[in-house]
Amino acid sequence: QQQVKQSPQSLIVQKGGISIINCAYENTAFDYFPWYQQFPGKGPALLIAIRPDVSEKKEGRFTISFNKSAKQFSLHIMDSQPGDSATYFCAASNRGGATNKLIFGTGTLLAVQP
Amino acid sequence: DTAVSQTPKYLVTQMGNDKSIKCEQNLGHDTMYWYKQDSKKFLKIMFSYNNKELIINETVPNRFSPKSPDKAHLNLHINSLELGDSAVYFCASSITGNTEAFFGQGTRLTVV
Repeated sequence: QQQVKQSPQSLIVQKGGISIINCAYENTAFDYFPWYQQFPGKGPALLIAIRPDVSEKKEGRFTISFNKSAKQFSLHIMDSQPGDSATYFCAASNRGGATNKLIFGTGTLLAVQP
Repeated sequence: DTAVSQTPKYLVTQMGNDKSIKCEQNLGHDTMYWYKQDSKKFLKIMFSYNNKELIINETVPNRFSPKSPDKAHLNLHINSLELGDSAVYFCASSITGNTEAFFGQGTRLTVV
């Protein structure tokens, strides 16, 4: 059972444009929602994360929007650059205790064209 | 300074062989994980260890046996390798109660 659904599967954006990736979750116990960026041949790297007590978090060109009632969150990449081309994963977890684990979405392959 | 390091980076082996992947972290974290990334890039947790104690075992075949000699190391031994075991295996670590996980570079396992 896929607890975190991610879309689109792939995305092509022109340089300078806005990239938007969406995720939806089912488990209302989730209280931590990170986004990971993965370049080919590398491990996933934490990009930005949000907790459900805020509706938006911005770090540089990257913004997470969070809608608790809809159980959805999204990543916006402003002024997208070719160097942003990578696979992006949303994830969710319940942070309490030692049994917490990240549940990942299926990934979005982003290509930013120059 | 490498935070989470895995060896080897690539592993090609024949069906039926036994192989091990090693992982070390120098972040001072007390929880370590193994994740598997399949050919469609889907990432799924396999195991987690907290202070050398197995915490999560996600219905992984018992051919996979993790071992944590101390909280900075987590190894993965795989017996009787099968074609379907081909994947990229990632080690990760975090502070207990904080799933801000840091991942290693991955080990690409190819079973032929």
